[in-house]
Amino acid sequence: EPEVTQTPSHQVTQMGQEVILRCVPISNHLYFYWYRQILGQKVEFLVSFYNNEISEKSEIFDDQFSVERPDGSNFTLKIRSTKLEDSAMYFCASSELAGITSEQFFGPGTRLTVL
Amino acid sequence: QKEVEQNSGPLSVPEGAIASLNCTYSDRGSQSFFWYRQYSGKSPELIMSIYSNGDKEDGRFTAQLNKASQYVSLLIRDSQPSDSATYLCAVNRDNDYKLSFGAGTTVTVRA
Repeated sequence: EPEVTQTPSHQVTQMGQEVILRCVPISNHLYFYWYRQILGQKVEFLVSFYNNEISEKSEIFDDQFSVERPDGSNFTLKIRSTKLEDSAMYFCASSELAGITSEQFFGPGTRLTVL
Repeated sequence: QKEVEQNSGPLSVPEGAIASLNCTYSDRGSQSFFWYRQYSGKSPELIMSIYSNGDKEDGRFTAQLNKASQYVSLLIRDSQPSDSATYLCAVNRDNDYKLSFGAGTTVTVRA
């Protein structure tokens, strides 16, 4: 069964460093998303991406964050200068459709630890 | 007011019983409703989607939607120890891309 994959599974970085989290969405899906979940808290939307453009972003997704689809398979989230509060699980998701019937499927996540 | 509210639990049920999970949402523009299961330390796994009022059954799971009451529920019949997890309710509006999640209800099935 097709699935979303993410690398690395765990990333440890120093405050102020740049990190890139990588995702390979399900191959026939057109819509891609990043969510995060701080330990013990709810899953929060960061950004959605379609046709090489950001389609929606939350207030969390500030200038420190960027997304890119560098090739036909990968979808990346870059955090330019990490802060302690960026420590969280980051989930990539993808969907075939958008809107009312879009089912989003999540990858296994990357645990980001900022020291 | 939170967008999506769930009882945090924990909800403890004996094996073989029915677990009943509730979710309310504040935005009347919400059109799509999803239940995800999340095991500890793992990612959300989609188990049910529902878009119209009424019941939708899939195996041991039944989702119920009442848009007038802004309420969606999940029933788990014949609960198994493997059903022990946190169940997340998520909603989105038409023409929106994001899912808004509740904080989740933790279910423990006692063998």
